[in-house]
Amino acid sequence: DAGVIQSPRHEVTEMGQEVTLRCKPISGHNSLFWYRQTMMRGLELLIYFNNNVPIDDSGMPEDRFSAKMPNASFSTLKIQPSEPRDSAVYFCASSLGREGYTFGSGTRLTVV
Amino acid sequence: GNSVTQMEGPVTLSEEAFLTINCTYTATGYPSLFWYVQYPGEGLQLLLKATKADDKGSNKGFEATYRKETTSFHLEKGSVQVSDSAVYFCALHSGGGADGLTFGKGTHLIIQP
Repeated sequence: DAGVIQSPRHEVTEMGQEVTLRCKPISGHNSLFWYRQTMMRGLELLIYFNNNVPIDDSGMPEDRFSAKMPNASFSTLKIQPSEPRDSAVYFCASSLGREGYTFGSGTRLTVV
Repeated sequence: GNSVTQMEGPVTLSEEAFLTINCTYTATGYPSLFWYVQYPGEGLQLLLKATKADDKGSNKGFEATYRKETTSFHLEKGSVQVSDSAVYFCALHSGGGADGLTFGKGTHLIIQP
């Protein structure tokens, strides 16, 4: 298995632009999580899905953030419009039940 | 609610020293406990886990024992190497379903040759 695959690895964009981050979970995993990591706040859970259904999006910072999971093998996290304070590393993770997560390598987002 | 508290870093040790990174937790029910490791520029990797009281998780020379009486899950290694330099996260999962892990803030470990 190739693990959790995220794209792009790095993204640099100008303030106000739309940014879309992508994630392919491990086949067979039924839960998917989006995290944001910054020096100041550490790891923050943004949203998670179970069987493609969003369960808890209370960590999504603002309406500018949205996430979708149209099928079991793909999810997106979109920021529109982006702001410099959104600069962070965004991780996607997937799991099967309580067996712990498998993380992707992350997308390093820089908004200038 | 659930929470995880780790010792603040950075922790700097010499090669072959003994390592302890403290972790305590607050949770409802009977959580599963995890240690994750993050190497520079990479995502988090599961290092070890324990699912019930008195269980010991171990991997790559690291160990941690689930202590329900002290609500702790301290990470230990008898002899660290330069390659162990990374950020270590303690985490718990208390839900019966597919809810998220609760992470500590991470401890940056630096091993000097």
